[in-house]
Amino acid sequence: RKEVEQDPGPFNVPEGATVAFNCTYSNSASQSFFWYRQDCRKEPKLLMSVYSSGNEDGRFTAQLNRASQYISLLIRDSKLSDSATYLCVVNRGSGGSYIPTFGRGTSLIVHP
Amino acid sequence: DADVTQTPRNRITKTGKRIMLECSQTKGHDRMYWYRQDPGLGLRLIYYSFDVKDINKGEISDGYSVSRQAQAKFSLSLESAIPNQTALYFCATSDPGQGYGELFFGEGSRLTVL
Repeated sequence: RKEVEQDPGPFNVPEGATVAFNCTYSNSASQSFFWYRQDCRKEPKLLMSVYSSGNEDGRFTAQLNRASQYISLLIRDSKLSDSATYLCVVNRGSGGSYIPTFGRGTSLIVHP
Repeated sequence: DADVTQTPRNRITKTGKRIMLECSQTKGHDRMYWYRQDPGLGLRLIYYSFDVKDINKGEISDGYSVSRQAQAKFSLSLESAIPNQTALYFCATSDPGQGYGELFFGEGSRLTVL
């Protein structure tokens, strides 16, 4: 089983829709969690860190469920410009010796 | 200027050639990483370094080697390139003392092995 798993999609949604992605991780010692956005063949860019209590940034909401070992990303009121691949990243390991581990990414296509 | 710089950005080479991809950073981070991305497979870790004296293999290190010449420089070498090493390569840095340890990426090096 891959350490970090995501549904690759694509998720094809109309503008204005709400869409949610999940990411599961297998290492219970994982410390910190992130969502990155990647546009076609460009470098990933940090979208949000995921806090234990959940966090929101405008139209984006991230949640962490340690008991079930998953994180989620909710995008409200989707825009055409949200079309991208969303990468889940888990810093697995203990103390300062964590290793950033990526899921395969979830593709989002927002259409008019 | 970019905080994490990769050179070359694009390279086409032939099977059996030696290739070096270079990464330099101005962020002052101790930790540096090399990832490889193939379509549909996400980013996979090749090698990582927690400081100048520390080098560790990632999940797909076979066929690759690295050199950490200084805190700011981390090079990836393909001693004898093969076609299945055709991929997009990313260098990244992080600092566990800043934020939650997020990664900062270079713009990527696209390598094609014929």
